Amino acid sequence: EAGVVQSPRYKIIEKKQPVAFWCNPISGHNTLYWYRQNLGQGPELLIRYENEEAVDDSQLPKDRFSAERLKGVDSTLKIQPAELGDSAVYLCASSLDGHLRGRDGYTFGSGTRLTVV
Amino acid sequence: AQTVTQSQPEMSVQEAETVTLSCTYDTSESNYYLFWYKQPPSRQMILVIRQEAYKQQNATENRFSVNFQKAAKSFSLKISDSQLGDTAMYFCAFTTSGTYKYIFGTGTRLKVLA
Repeated sequence: EAGVVQSPRYKIIEKKQPVAFWCNPISGHNTLYWYRQNLGQGPELLIRYENEEAVDDSQLPKDRFSAERLKGVDSTLKIQPAELGDSAVYLCASSLDGHLRGRDGYTFGSGTRLTVV
Repeated sequence: AQTVTQSQPEMSVQEAETVTLSCTYDTSESNYYLFWYKQPPSRQMILVIRQEAYKQQNATENRFSVNFQKAAKSFSLKISDSQLGDTAMYFCAFTTSGTYKYIFGTGTRLKVLA
């Protein structure tokens, strides 16, 4: 099993440019999460998907961030336009949930390190 | 508000020795779950151990064990027989039974010395 796959691994862009991150969760995992991890901090939830539905996006800065999960499998997180403060690691995770609601722990990908210059 | 605090930004331990990482949390919930995640330089967060709050028995996973003190809201991680591969950031995390959202601490950077 490949685990949670994310790409690209690194991305450097100039401010005001758009950027997109891609995530392929573990097969069969219906719940997908995007977390942002600022330098020296723990991850913070941006958005959670149940299949193709975004069920918790309260922490997503909707003026510049958007996400989609077509067909309830792969997901894309986009920032447009990027700002200097968006520099961080963007982690994708998935879990096989139902009633467990993530209590067995997530499986994380290796993240995308974004640097905005 | 629910919070997770890791008061040790960095720690080091000699190979084969034992080290304990501290974590405290704050919640008014009675049913919750606690986790320790390891983040090596590869950046992938790896689940090390989990504990259900309703269980009094401390969880163990091979060389990793926890000391869960519910009344004190403390959840420390003990690593026995430390190995060079244990060098990583360690994050304590918390979630309640009614939500999928994890609250993470700020992490402890552990370095195992040869």
